[in-house]
Amino acid sequence: TQLLEQSPQFLSIQEGENLTVYCNSSSVFSSLQWYRQEPGEGPVLLVTVVTGGEVKKLKRLTFQFGDARKDSSLHITAAQPGDTGLYLCAGTDSWGKLQFGAGTQVVVTP
Amino acid sequence: GAVVSQHPSRVICKSGTSVKIECRSLDFQATTMFWYRQFPKQSLMLMATSNEGSKATYEQGVEKDKFLINHASLTLSTLTVTSAHPEDSSFYICSAWDREYDGYTFGSGTRLTVV
Repeated sequence: TQLLEQSPQFLSIQEGENLTVYCNSSSVFSSLQWYRQEPGEGPVLLVTVVTGGEVKKLKRLTFQFGDARKDSSLHITAAQPGDTGLYLCAGTDSWGKLQFGAGTQVVVTP
Repeated sequence: GAVVSQHPSRVICKSGTSVKIECRSLDFQATTMFWYRQFPKQSLMLMATSNEGSKATYEQGVEKDKFLINHASLTLSTLTVTSAHPEDSSFYICSAWDREYDGYTFGSGTRLTVV
């Protein structure tokens, strides 16, 4: 059973559109991380959110951490083909191990 | 930033043989490394936690005699897939926590194909 639930599993949009990916859990996390993974490569860290209610922006990407620190969202504004990839949320469990959500495959077509 | 070097990036082996995958932390010391497996179109599943100078801890359902982990130094952890079978074909990725970077950094992964 996945500790972190991600939705949707797959998202296909046109260039210029906006999208949101959600990451939910029944557990409280001290922090959540978002990664992007390209085929055949390891995940690359995008951001870490630590404080409940926190909002972080990284150019066109906006990350939000829920007040109760159980959920997070990633919003991409005006998506570009270069945003295509597998987006993964991850949290450190009570044993100090980084556990991943199932991932959201995002495809942005020109 | 912190870098974890993983190799080989791709390996093809015959059923019954063993394959060793190496992960080295560059510019930082990793007392703990994590090993993940990823099947196509799926997420990363934690296999085991590798601890420098002590035995690895394995996740439920992962055979420790099949996936041998050695973490003999603060910069090197190895995963050996013993007596590999086609169902072991997967993408294996290592990760380490870097205190200065304040985050987990991942290797580039190893695509294992067992024929």
